[in-house]
Amino acid sequence: DAKTTQPPSMDCAEGRAANLPCNHSTISGNEYVYWYRQIHSQGPQYIIHGLKNNETNEMASLIITEDRKSSTLILPHATLRDTAVYYCIVRARGQNFVFGPGTRLSVLP
Amino acid sequence: GAGVSQSPSNKVTEKGKDVELRCDPISGHTALYWYRQRLGQGLEFLIYFQGNSAPDKSGLPSDRFSAERTGESVSTLTIQRTQQEDSAVYLCASSLAEAGVHEKLFFGSGTQLSVL
Repeated sequence: DAKTTQPPSMDCAEGRAANLPCNHSTISGNEYVYWYRQIHSQGPQYIIHGLKNNETNEMASLIITEDRKSSTLILPHATLRDTAVYYCIVRARGQNFVFGPGTRLSVLP
Repeated sequence: GAGVSQSPSNKVTEKGKDVELRCDPISGHTALYWYRQRLGQGLEFLIYFQGNSAPDKSGLPSDRFSAERTGESVSTLTIQRTQQEDSAVYLCASSLAEAGVHEKLFFGSGTQLSVL
């Protein structure tokens, strides 16, 4: 059963911020939000995760709403190499990672 | 090794034959996952090993599919009597799943299985 909902595709201009939304309205208190991405023909790559506070690392920022029912992954300055499928996953410790269909992000020159 | 290693990278087989796919996780990683990805589709969870606990086999699609893992090392995914719908990329991932340490999955490059 899918715990997350993402748009199937998005476009973003190179150099602009890419904002990828994810809805997880049934998230439980012990579940974290993870983001991975999969570049064509490669295995998925970890990007970031969070519980309720906003998080930032060298790849991206994660904004989680106060009610935790949705989140947004932000790539601040998208490049052509960020073209990939982005997966939002909700998971508690010890559970397996269930990947949905994700969002196909196309960064356009 | 430096990363998760899967072999073979490509496997072509005839319908009805058995195949074995191998995954060498990152040394020290206690958790190991298998996923299947059909062309143009998302990742489909198959099975999850965590240390000495009983594996989570809830994603295996049929009794033709089985997987083993020896301790915290190599895992083998076996598909018996292959069917054309088994054609897909089979991805393995491992992680260091210790208490207090968040799991980051590290994926291998996958095995492309083609059943003719």
